[in-house]
Amino acid sequence: KAGVTQTPRYLIKTRGQQVTLSCSPISGHRSVSWYQQTPGQGLQFLFEYFSETQRNKGNFPGRFSGRQFSNSRSEMNVSTLELGDSALYLCASRTDIYTEAFFGQGTRLTVV
Amino acid sequence: GQSLEQPSEVTAVEGAIVQINCTYQTSGFYGLSWYQQHDGGAPTFLSYNALDGLEETGRFSSFLSRSDSYGYLLLQELQMKDSASYFCAVRDPGTASKLTFGTGTRLQVTL
Repeated sequence: KAGVTQTPRYLIKTRGQQVTLSCSPISGHRSVSWYQQTPGQGLQFLFEYFSETQRNKGNFPGRFSGRQFSNSRSEMNVSTLELGDSALYLCASRTDIYTEAFFGQGTRLTVV
Repeated sequence: GQSLEQPSEVTAVEGAIVQINCTYQTSGFYGLSWYQQHDGGAPTFLSYNALDGLEETGRFSSFLSRSDSYGYLLLQELQMKDSASYFCAVRDPGTASKLTFGTGTRLQVTL
């Protein structure tokens, strides 16, 4: 069974640009969550989607947005990038909210 | 809000036993999970405790005391490959869809 796939693995962007990250969950998993990981703030929850609906959102500015498609694949978008957005962005999928989350390898975003 | 505290670093010798503690403050409680993350890798689920007591999975065990808001991860027969960061996490009591992670403990296994 294939794991959670995130693309791209590495990305370098310039301040002010926007970026879209992609996540393909494990087959059969309808819940997809996104997390930001930085050395200073650790792992922080961004948002969670289930069956194309956002069910929960973390404390991030509106520049961070996401969506989920009918095949459960998810994308997150960050607009007007800031240096502080440099982080590892992790996607996690699970069958439902009562089961454990399986994480992808993440996308390492560097903003210069 | 929710907060979880862990020691930042732990060092232990190969073959030894090490315990990583986690204390939490939550507005509700829906179980304590543990994840392992190697440098450059994805967090990997290790264990979950919903009730008080010890859960054992091979060389790893996890303990929970809800009355003390405390849990720990016990790693036995340490191997070099166990060198990684370990995170405890709790689920959001409202929706259970959000995980709040601890600060993480970096375990260094030495010869």
